[in-house]
Order: sequence, then structure tokens, then C-alpha cells
Amino acid sequence: DARVTQTPRHKVTEMGQEVTMRCQPILGHNTVFWYRQTMMQGLELLAYFRNRAPLDDSGMPKDRFSAEMPDATLATLKIQPSEPRDSAVYFCASGLDLGTGNNQPQHFGDGTRLSIL
Amino acid sequence: KNQVEQSPQSLIILEGKNCTLQCNYTVSPFSNLRWYKQDTGRGPVSLTIMTFSENTKSNGRYTATLDADTKQSSLHITASQLSDSASYICVVISNTGNQFYFGTGTSLTVIP
Repeated sequence: DARVTQTPRHKVTEMGQEVTMRCQPILGHNTVFWYRQTMMQGLELLAYFRNRAPLDDSGMPKDRFSAEMPDATLATLKIQPSEPRDSAVYFCASGLDLGTGNNQPQHFGDGTRLSIL
Repeated sequence: KNQVEQSPQSLIILEGKNCTLQCNYTVSPFSNLRWYKQDTGRGPVSLTIMTFSENTKSNGRYTATLDADTKQSSLHITASQLSDSASYICVVISNTGNQFYFGTGTSLTVIP
């Protein structure tokens, strides 16, 4: 089965350090989503791309977070500088937007568990 | 204010029993409603996606219903199995700018 692959699975670092999380979407999918999940807030959408173009990043703190898709097989989420409140599980998901109302399933990776000390 | 509320927050049932999880929302305009299953330490897995015109959709032992008039959805699990133990998340998508609204989930534990 095709899967979304996220790396690293776990990351522990000190505050102020740069963190880069990577996602390989399912081949052929044209949408990529970044989510953050915490016990307090649950799931939150940070940003998403269609055909590698950013469509919405309103959920993302712009001063320290950035999301990019250098090519169709790689999406990155970067935090610089990191803060303890960024500790969470970050999920990437991909899907196929057929232009019929965004009602296609999203396929999630298993996430990057980030701890900022 | 656009919101999604799920109930109960947690639920414990005996293996083989049925259960129903609830999702009420105030999101408008509405595009579709999704139910996800999330096992501990894993990413969410899509169970059902329902658009405005659909009022029931099944995926194996999972059946989702949608009442767009009352803005309520339910997820019914039939003949529960130990592997159904997970968090179940309801997500409503608005068709204005593809906004996503998440419930906080129902934690289901199935015991032998």
C-alpha cells in the first residue's frame, strides 16, 4: 500500500534551534497538508498545498514557521527558532483534488513527535 | 462561530457491543463532514466522507449518518472489536476557502 512517509519520527531539541520536518506524499497526489496535534488543542491545520502551490497557511505562525514543496515528492515544514510551545505531533497528509469540491480522502503519515526543551 | 463538538469525550464498551459517537457542528457553509479513526501513535485514517446530499454512508462495521438540517452526525460501530479502540475525530470542511474545523475526538476503549 502506498503511504505518506514522514521523517524524522521523533525529534528532541533545545529551544532556539531550527527544526525541519519532511514529508513524502503518495505518488500522484496533488494536495499536501500539514497538521499539528496537541492534547490541549487537538488537530489544527497549519498549511496546505495544491499542485505544489501554497493555498492556505493561515493556521501557521508566520514569524517562525515556513512550509515549502521543493518538488512534487517532498514537502517540508520548518520552525526557526523553535520554542517549547511548539512541542506537538506534526502530521503530513496527501490527497487527490479532482476539482470537485475537496471531498477526496486525505492519507496521513504517522507524524513527527517534536519536543522542544 | 464555527465549531465542532463531539460526545462523549470517552467511552468504554464490551467487545461485541455496538456504540454510537456524536458530532454536532455549527459550520456554515458546509462542504463535507469526515470521520477519522486514530490509533495511538499513528496518523488518522479516513473512515467516511459525507457531502450535503448524503445522509448515510458505511465502511464495514462503521456507519456514519448526517442530518444537515440539524447539523448533526453520528458514527455507529457495530459488533465492536478490540481493534476499534482508538480516538475518533469528526472534521467539518467549509466550502469558503476550504476551512477545516476539528472536533476534539472521542476516545473509545473496547474491553474483552
